[in-house]
Amino acid sequence: DVKVTQSSRYLVKRTGEKVFLECVQDMDHENMFWYRQDPGLGLRLIYFSYDVKMKEKGDIPEGYSVSREKKERFSLILESASTNQTSMYLCASSSHRDFSGELFFGEGSRLTVL
Amino acid sequence: GDSVTQMEGPVTLSEEAFLTINCTYTATGYPSLFWYVQYPGEGLQLLLKATKADDKGSNKGFEATYRKETTSFHLEKGSVQVSDSAVYFCALSAPNRNNRLAFGKGNQVVVIP
Repeated sequence: DVKVTQSSRYLVKRTGEKVFLECVQDMDHENMFWYRQDPGLGLRLIYFSYDVKMKEKGDIPEGYSVSREKKERFSLILESASTNQTSMYLCASSSHRDFSGELFFGEGSRLTVL
Repeated sequence: GDSVTQMEGPVTLSEEAFLTINCTYTATGYPSLFWYVQYPGEGLQLLLKATKADDKGSNKGFEATYRKETTSFHLEKGSVQVSDSAVYFCALSAPNRNNRLAFGKGNQVVVIP
C-alpha cells in the first residue's frame, strides 16, 4: 500500500516560532503537495513540487516555504508562525507519469499557534 | 479559473436514506472529475472518478455521472450506513495543470442510526 507519513499529528507552537512539518512517501512519486484544510474553506494548495529541488507556489503560499532535497521527502516550513496559521495541514503525493487523478494523502498534522 | 462548487452546509440523514451531494464545476477544456472522502481522523482518499463526459464512476455503493451539458458531477448513494459518515470533497483536474487538483469546500455527512 502507498504510504504517506506526516511526522506529527498534533503540534502546539507559539507565535514567532519556526515550524517544520515533514512528509515522507514510499511510492517513488514525483509529485508532492502541501494543503491546508479549514472548516468552510475546504482544501487550499500551499505549495507543490514535481521533482527534487523543484517547487511551485499554490494558491496561498504567503508565510510558508518548502524544501524538497530528496524525492521521498517534502517539508513545509513556517518561518515565523502566526495565529492565523492554526490549521490542519495535509501532505499528498502522486505519480506524474501515471497520473490518474489519485492523490495519496497523509493523515494530517493539526497545528495550533498560540 | 478552474473551480468546483459544492452545495452549502452539512448533510444529516437517517440510516438507509438516499444521499445526494451536488457538485458543479467550471473549467476550460475537458477536465477529469473526482470524489474524495475523509473519514474522521484520517486523510482524504479517492472514492470514485470519471474522465470523460457521460462516464459513471462508482465505488462502495456510491455513484456519480459526468454531465458535460450541466457541468455537474453529483454524488449519490441509495442507502447510507452509519459508516458513511465522513466529509466528501468534489475535485477536478484540468489538462495541462501539472497534476494539480481543484477541490470543492467539502460536505460533512452525518448518518444517524
